[in-house]
Amino acid sequence: EVQLVESGGGLVQPGGSLRLSCAASGLTFSRYWMSWVRRAPGKGLEWVANIKEDGSGKYHVDSVKGRFTISRDNAKNSLYLQMNSLRVDDTAMYYCATFRSGWSLDCWGQGTQVTVSS
Amino acid sequence: QSALTQPASVSGSPGQSITISCTGTSSDVGNYNLVSWYQQHPGKSPKLMIYEGSKRPSGVSNRFSGSKSGNSASLTISGLQAEDEADYYCCSYAGSSTLVFGGGTRLTVL
Repeated sequence: EVQLVESGGGLVQPGGSLRLSCAASGLTFSRYWMSWVRRAPGKGLEWVANIKEDGSGKYHVDSVKGRFTISRDNAKNSLYLQMNSLRVDDTAMYYCATFRSGWSLDCWGQGTQVTVSS
Repeated sequence: QSALTQPASVSGSPGQSITISCTGTSSDVGNYNLVSWYQQHPGKSPKLMIYEGSKRPSGVSNRFSGSKSGNSASLTISGLQAEDEADYYCCSYAGSSTLVFGGGTRLTVL
């Protein structure tokens, strides 16, 4: 059974940084594209970033470009999201997810909450 | 990277059918047959219900079906059940290895 477990969320002041982690098990991690998706309070899902199987390709939504960086360590079966220059509107539950065929996201973690507030 | 357009809410009675629309552009929904649909119950993680426009993952009820026409996609739920009450999101590949979600639709089972 595939399991994705996010960690690293918390309360941070505007302008601060956080590094989210996603530990994967039950799959050959290095074979899968991975993604981060977030849901802000009272709002819908928003795609944040994707990364290729070998980490050679990284793609981010415009609103986080230059501030967030997706990365992975296939030896540790782990996905990361480095978040810098955090803003109040980055407050959200952050989920990691695996891609299946057709650019769909078929396995999701339970999420980690990020709150940006002074 | 503008969000796909979904109705904010839909409702139906048990046993009825409902359809949720998802409107994009020729840069996303209209250009690829790569629309997926997700169900999210309060406090839970999203669940994939439909991929590649109309395919169901293993374990998803055949009461859920998807279709696409032009720049729009639709999710139909037949034989509504109380457990279907949730938020539903469409998502499309938008080129250059990016995705775009819809704003979400709250389904209420009356």
